[in-house]
Amino acid sequence: DVKVTQSSRYLVKRTGEKVFLECVQDMDHENMFWYRQDPGLGLRLIYFSYDVKMKEKGDIPEGYSVSREKKERFSLILESASTNQTSMYLCASSFYGYQETQYFGPGTRLLVL
Amino acid sequence: EDKVVQSPLSLVVHEGDTVTLNCSYEVTNFRSLLWYKQEKKAPTFLFMLTSSGIEKKSGRLSSILDKKELFSILNITATQTGDSAIYLCAGYNTDKLIFGTGTRLQVFP
Repeated sequence: DVKVTQSSRYLVKRTGEKVFLECVQDMDHENMFWYRQDPGLGLRLIYFSYDVKMKEKGDIPEGYSVSREKKERFSLILESASTNQTSMYLCASSFYGYQETQYFGPGTRLLVL
Repeated sequence: EDKVVQSPLSLVVHEGDTVTLNCSYEVTNFRSLLWYKQEKKAPTFLFMLTSSGIEKKSGRLSSILDKKELFSILNITATQTGDSAIYLCAGYNTDKLIFGTGTRLQVFP
């Protein structure tokens, strides 16, 4: 079974703090994705990566950065958290060439005060 | 701009009812349509549809795609309380998934 894990289920941070969200997958997938999910807006793609050290902007990259130093790990970084980044963050992974068949992690619910 | 629209936004039914969830899409370079079920955790994959008119079935769930009219439906027959979830539809365009906002289904005993 594919397993995608995220470092925290719930996180509370203050405005201006630097926030790291970690995602690890154990299926040797090349592709990894970060989404945020908000009521009425659905899942929106923030960043994705097709390989180690590679990153591509998604639809809403502003205010975020990512890091992929190892194949199994994809980190989302909020350099200076703001209240409008309060959201559910979902990580996903897939095999290269099968971008549509994504396996999701359980999500991190982030509250920025 | 690519978009996926789901309806209804929310649905409340009793156990045993049959429900139909709708998904329309406008996705350039469209390749496939996917359905996911999301309970209080990770979205889990239900179906991937690439061809028009071919029904995919898994137990009480079934789905079909119409590439001419650009929509898909997800049917759930004899609903159970365990079907309560958000159902997500997404179009894939050779590069990324474009998600709809989801339909929240609540099944009461």
